[in-house]
Amino acid sequence: DIQMTQSPSSLSASVGDRVTITCRASQTISNYLNWYQQKPGKAPKLLIYAASSLQSGVPSRFSGSGSGTDFTLTISSLQPEDFATYYCQQSYSTPPWTFGQGTKVEVK
Amino acid sequence: EVQLVESGGGLVQPGGSLRLSCAASGFTFSNYEMNWVRQAPGKGLEWVSYISGSGSTIHYADSVKGRFTISRDNAKNSLYLQMNSLRAEDTAVYYCARVAVWNHFEYWGQGTLVTVSS
Repeated sequence: DIQMTQSPSSLSASVGDRVTITCRASQTISNYLNWYQQKPGKAPKLLIYAASSLQSGVPSRFSGSGSGTDFTLTISSLQPEDFATYYCQQSYSTPPWTFGQGTKVEVK
Repeated sequence: EVQLVESGGGLVQPGGSLRLSCAASGFTFSNYEMNWVRQAPGKGLEWVSYISGSGSTIHYADSVKGRFTISRDNAKNSLYLQMNSLRAEDTAVYYCARVAVWNHFEYWGQGTLVTVSS
């Protein structure tokens, strides 16, 4: 199975900061990499799919990049509603489609 | 509007069984692959199971293989997860999710909580 490693596991940031979260796959996954945001008590919400495609309705301050094994989620200017936990997920080939362990973005 | 609504969660003893349902609306259910994903309290997301639109292709996580069975009834626009031989480590919120073109999970239900405890 493909393992996904996210870093950092948590970070502290202020409103307006640029935030970067990385995700590494244990083998190449082309660009089958997705990013989700989850707030406490809520279902995950899709932000980015296919490594860099912004899901409809998601603010443009969110962006994704990468291919192969190394990927990045960037929030260009952190907003109050962005404090949440972020997960990467690989969806390459057939299941299992594994998630990273999550990155919690907290108020500094 | 796409809607996914899970039901069937609850408290069950170790070794017991439970059947989760996911009612779909707002789209042609049979055209879409579906998944179950779970999240233990305070933990991350764990993919559990996949089923193709026709139901002919199924996959399971190793942690549930042989104990859980995914199925669907396209006439009823419903997805199911039959969970047998439940263990404490199966305690989690279970989400159903619809798959899109890059195998990403575009829509999620609100989740249903399963608690395995004596």
